Amino acid sequence: SQQGEEDPQALSIQEGENATMNCSYKTSINNLQWYRQNSGRGLVHLILIRSNEREKHSGRLRVTLDTSKKSSSLLITASRAADTASYFCATEASGNTPLVFGKGTRLSVIA
Amino acid sequence: DVKVTQSSRYLVKRTGEKVFLECVQDMDHENMFWYRQDPGLGLRLIYFSYDVKMKEKGDIPEGYSVSREKKERFSLILESASTNQTSMYLCASSFVGVKNIQYFGAGTRLSVL
Repeated sequence: SQQGEEDPQALSIQEGENATMNCSYKTSINNLQWYRQNSGRGLVHLILIRSNEREKHSGRLRVTLDTSKKSSSLLITASRAADTASYFCATEASGNTPLVFGKGTRLSVIA
Repeated sequence: DVKVTQSSRYLVKRTGEKVFLECVQDMDHENMFWYRQDPGLGLRLIYFSYDVKMKEKGDIPEGYSVSREKKERFSLILESASTNQTSMYLCASSFVGVKNIQYFGAGTRLSVL
């Protein structure tokens, strides 16, 4: 399977700033999901956006999806030190097929 | 809350040993997955299962096998561990359904010496 690609690979910002991460993928999709991974731990699901949706919000998270460009972005507003983690996008090509994960963006939020 | 439990957080084994990594989920999920995670390579799917006694190869099944005798338990087996299998192993589970959201265990960091 072909992985998605997150951009940038690493991002360092000050607390209170916004963080934007991008994800590109290669095939048509049912949905795209974002996950977070704290250092040395498992992944935790953050938000899902369906292929017929363009934007979704959850708390300080905003996700956009552009299926014509096969890309998505995750915006974390007013970042906190506790947001320091790796963030992965994952795509589902069709119903109940395994998710394809990207390589992740490492976010560091400096207090 | 969904709980996915991996039997060990850290494991050290010798080359050639047979290694069992166990994963148990408590939410009656049909689907279960095993990934390995290496720096710069992201998550790579080893094997997955959509039902008891069913298994499907993922992207990198060579050197691994799996067992799913009960719905809640999915075991990853390294028949003869090698140093290139040193990695972080992650188990996940999900419902069959529209959303296919995966729930992950905390991971097992395996070192093969």
